[in-house]
Amino acid sequence: DAGVTQSPTHLIKTRGQQVTLRCSPKSGHDTVSWYQQALGQGPQFIFQYYEEEERQRGNFPDRFSGHQFPNYSSELNVNALLLGDSALYLCASSLDRGSEKLFFGSGTQLSVL
Amino acid sequence: AQSVAQPEDQVNVAEGNPLTVKCTYSVSGNPYLFWYVQYPNRGLQFLLKYITGDNLVKGSYGFEAEFNKSQTSFHLKKPSALVSDSALYFCAVRVRRAGFQKLVFGTGTRLLVSP
Repeated sequence: DAGVTQSPTHLIKTRGQQVTLRCSPKSGHDTVSWYQQALGQGPQFIFQYYEEEERQRGNFPDRFSGHQFPNYSSELNVNALLLGDSALYLCASSLDRGSEKLFFGSGTQLSVL
Repeated sequence: AQSVAQPEDQVNVAEGNPLTVKCTYSVSGNPYLFWYVQYPNRGLQFLLKYITGDNLVKGSYGFEAEFNKSQTSFHLKKPSALVSDSALYFCAVRVRRAGFQKLVFGTGTRLLVSP
């Protein structure tokens, strides 16, 4: 049983570009959350998807957007990249929207030059 | 706002000695508290959680945590540290809204266990 998988593992972009990160949740999980972990910091909640809709959003600008597909997989899109967007982006899935136990992927390391 | 604080950036302990990683919380209502561990180039792995009940919670890999309401603390402990325990540890609190939940994490504590 595969856990949470994320792609790509590493990505290098330049300022102003756009990026798409992908996540496949653990089998049977229908809720996906995204977190940003800057160097030396704890993960910060970006948003959460359930039934293909954004249900919660953290304190991130509209440049951060997402999508959830019918198979529960999810994408995180970031437009107009800034140097400060450089971070590890973590995807987490849970069994349902009320489950407090999250399963995390290994993350995508994004570097913005 | 719900939050947790980890006052130590790094904890150093010798293998075989007991270890403690500190966490304090600021929560309205009953707290749901968690500990996660992060190894290099890996995602976060769940260690244990406190929801209600016994103040001593046992988790994975021999870790346990003690919930103390009067001190608003949720310290992670292990009786005998292993070199392989060296990693980044995060305390977190659950925030729930309209049936959905998210985790608010502390800044993390790096545990270094020396041989």
